[in-house]
Amino acid sequence: SQKIEQNSEALNIQEGKTATLTCNYTNYSPAYLQWYRQDPGRGPVFLLLIRENEKEKRKERLKVTFDTTLKQSLFHITASQPADSATYLCALDKVTGGGNKLTFGTGTQLKVEL
Amino acid sequence: DAGVIQSPRHEVTEMGQEVTLRCKPISGHNSLFWYRQTMMRGLELLIYFNNNVPIDDSGMPEDRFSAKMPNASFSTLKIQPSEPRDSAVYFCASRTGQQETQYFGPGTRLLVL
Repeated sequence: SQKIEQNSEALNIQEGKTATLTCNYTNYSPAYLQWYRQDPGRGPVFLLLIRENEKEKRKERLKVTFDTTLKQSLFHITASQPADSATYLCALDKVTGGGNKLTFGTGTQLKVEL
Repeated sequence: DAGVIQSPRHEVTEMGQEVTLRCKPISGHNSLFWYRQTMMRGLELLIYFNNNVPIDDSGMPEDRFSAKMPNASFSTLKIQPSEPRDSAVYFCASRTGQQETQYFGPGTRLLVL
């Protein structure tokens, strides 16, 4: 069956360091992968999208890689700040007869400490 | 734009009661998604609509759940009768046909006693 795995344990890092979050999947051939941020009591907010033919995507302090051979995406936040503390969700698309729909991982909580 | 609007934000009800959650998507978005989020199962897609037509309801847990989209600016998710295991945060999201990204509402936190 299809599975998306993110580290369920919280990731604690020091301010200024690079945070790296992992998203692994099985039995999927996604056309693209997305990363969302979710703060407590709020809905997920889109951050980055990377397509199957792209290896890397950057946006300001964020970087996403996508390895379709390893079936893995890495999400990096450089020069992390306490404001980056949140839960980060990866999502893979699935093409259906009526259009694409996303399947989300369970998310990894990131805590950036002073 | 106000973003995706959901109401109510919080709902507490007793087992057996009917619950109706409401969603107004972003104007111009023609796809609408209903999700449920729990600690145990994460964010699960329940149903989605394209141009007001239900496309995939395979995530709807059982017949107690139903969803409608009578027009492009309004959708409802109904649970009848509600059960304690339905307690969760329910999110609505929308997007345009040309976009892959989804825009989420603030969610409705449902507690069934």
